[in-house]
Amino acid sequence: DVKVTQSSRYLVKRTGEKVFLECVQDMDHENMFWYRQDPGLGLRLIYFSYDVKMKEKGDIPEGYSVSREKKERFSLILESASTNQTSMYLCASTVLGATSYEQYFGPGTRLTVT
Amino acid sequence: AQSVTQLDSQVPVFEEAPVELRCNYSSSVSVYLFWYVQYPNQGLQLLLKYLSGSTLVESINGFEAEFNKSQTSFHLRKPSVHISDTAEYFCATFLWNTGFQKLVFGTGTRLLVSP
Repeated sequence: DVKVTQSSRYLVKRTGEKVFLECVQDMDHENMFWYRQDPGLGLRLIYFSYDVKMKEKGDIPEGYSVSREKKERFSLILESASTNQTSMYLCASTVLGATSYEQYFGPGTRLTVT
Repeated sequence: AQSVTQLDSQVPVFEEAPVELRCNYSSSVSVYLFWYVQYPNQGLQLLLKYLSGSTLVESINGFEAEFNKSQTSFHLRKPSVHISDTAEYFCATFLWNTGFQKLVFGTGTRLLVSP
């Protein structure tokens, strides 16, 4: 069964802290994605990766960075957390070239920055 | 650029009533369309998709959507909703290029089913 896991369901951090959000998938997918979800704005793509050590900026990359050292793991990093980064963060993965085009999502991490 | 628009942010409905959640798309190329559902405190999961072929697609839990090219729409319908259908529903379209694929999501519609 397909599985995408995220390291924390809820996280509370202080302004200025460095924050790591981890995502692991067990499906050998090439493509991995980080989204943030905010009421009324839907899901917005932060960064994605189509292979190990490869990354591309999404629509709202400012204030974030990512790391993909292994195929199964994709990390989102907030170098210096700010209150406007309080949000729900969702990780997803998909196999390159899949005819189903389905993305598989993790359960999300609700981050609060105080 | 490919995009989708969900006009309704929230749709309240009584149990066993019919419901329609609206989604319009804009694209000048082949269109792949999806509906994802997010139940409370969970991630998103695929509800149904249109890739090609029959314009009417169905999910296993009674939802259906019809791809309408002339109206550029992909509305989601269910003839009789249950309390358990309370969730947020996202319409999405697919964007692909060499080496990567990504979904472009609408802003979501919250379906609230009350007894």
